[in-house]
Amino acid sequence: KNEVEQSPQNLTAQEGEFITINCSYSVGISALHWLQQHPGGGIVSLFMLSSGKKKHGRLIATINIQEKHSSLHITASHPRDSAVYICAVARNYGGSQGNLIFGKGTKLSVKP
Amino acid sequence: DVKVTQSSRYLVKRTGEKVFLECVQDMDHENMFWYRQDPGLGLRLIYFSYDVKMKEKGDIPEGYSVSREKKERFSLILESASTNQTSMYLCASSFSRGEYNEQFFGPGTRLTVL
Repeated sequence: KNEVEQSPQNLTAQEGEFITINCSYSVGISALHWLQQHPGGGIVSLFMLSSGKKKHGRLIATINIQEKHSSLHITASHPRDSAVYICAVARNYGGSQGNLIFGKGTKLSVKP
Repeated sequence: DVKVTQSSRYLVKRTGEKVFLECVQDMDHENMFWYRQDPGLGLRLIYFSYDVKMKEKGDIPEGYSVSREKKERFSLILESASTNQTSMYLCASSFSRGEYNEQFFGPGTRLTVL
C-alpha cells in the first residue's frame, strides 16, 4: 500500500465548477505539500501546511492531522487550472531532513 | 524569488553514454535533491545532499551517482546510460533549518536514452 494516496487519479470538470482533490497518508508527518505541475514539467508549490487551512486566491487547502487527510479545493475552476496536482508529505522522524513522499498525482482537465 | 535551474530541458543520449545533469540554485540552500518522475509511479528520490561533498542515497540510487563540489550546484551522473533511465529528472533545493523546509523545484530535464 502506498504511504500517500490521492484521489481521484483523473478529473474532468466544466469551467466554473468547484473541485476537490483528496490526499490520505499513513505515516507521521511534519508538513504536507500541495504541488502543481503543468505540461512541460516544472513543479510549483501551492501550499505547505501542518495544521488547519490555508487560502490563496481560488485555492484552499485543508488538513486533518488526526484523520491523516488533506484536501485541495479549487473554486470557480478555469481551463488554466488544468494541470497535475501532487500531494507530498514530509516524514516526521529523525532521518534526513526534507525528504518527501509523493502521491501519484491527480490530472485535472477543466473544459471551457 | 528562489531560482532552481537545470542545464537542459530535453536531452537525447545513446545507450552506454555517460550523462551529466546539472542543477544550480541561487538561494544558498543547504539541501539539494534529484528525483525522477515516471507515469504511474510519481516522483521518486534518487539522491540528496545536505552539504557540500555530502550525499545520501534515496529510494532508487542504482545506476546513478552525484557530485556536489559547490553549495549551489548538484550534478546527477549516469555512468552508462540505459533505456530504462529514460525519464523526467527534477532537481529541488531547500534550507536545512528547523524541522522541515519547503522544497523548490527546477523545470525538469526530459531525458531519452536510445
